[in-house]
Amino acid sequence: DQQVKQNSPSLSVQEGRISILNCDYTNSMFDYFLWYKKYPAEGPTFLISISSIKDKNEDGRFTVFLNKSAKHLSLHIVPSQPGDSAVYFCAADDTGNQFYFGTGTSLTVIP
Amino acid sequence: ETGVTQTPRHLVMGMTNKKSLKCEQHLGHNAMYWYKQSAKKPLELMFVYSLEERVENNSVPSRFSPECPNSSHLFLHLHTLQPEDSALYLCASSQGPSGRQETQYFGPGTRLLVL
Repeated sequence: DQQVKQNSPSLSVQEGRISILNCDYTNSMFDYFLWYKKYPAEGPTFLISISSIKDKNEDGRFTVFLNKSAKHLSLHIVPSQPGDSAVYFCAADDTGNQFYFGTGTSLTVIP
Repeated sequence: ETGVTQTPRHLVMGMTNKKSLKCEQHLGHNAMYWYKQSAKKPLELMFVYSLEERVENNSVPSRFSPECPNSSHLFLHLHTLQPEDSALYLCASSQGPSGRQETQYFGPGTRLLVL
């Protein structure tokens, strides 16, 4: 059973607008969450993370929000740029060694 | 070289072949990981090594055999694979020993096709 879900396989956004990528999880033991970005023919690249003691973390154009009660996190990209077009994976870490990844959302930013 | 490197980038092999995937990290990390990414499926953790000792093995078939000779190198030995093993194999490393709230850094992956 998948513990981390990204229900939108794809998203298209106009350049300059906000991109919102969503992720849901089921395991309340997850305490650390990450977003990775992946270009074709490359490995995932770490983007931003958030600890469960926070509800928001911001890094430049990227902000991650965590709603623990809803077991939901989201990644906001503002403003979106064509170079942001990639597949975005959310991941969650339990208290052990394992990361659990979602299936990814393919973001296309239209110039 | 910086970051995490993987060779080869592409590999085609028959079901009776034996091949090895290589991963090298230049980050001074102590934990390394093998993941499998199949189409439209989440990344699946295969193996975790911390300080060169295997600490996690997610019920991976024995036709996949990992080796970690030192903290900078990780191998995945392949033998008698099946066509369904065709996937992108990703290596990652983290500061470690693998523990909580650590970021994993990924290599570019090896695209494997089993015929």
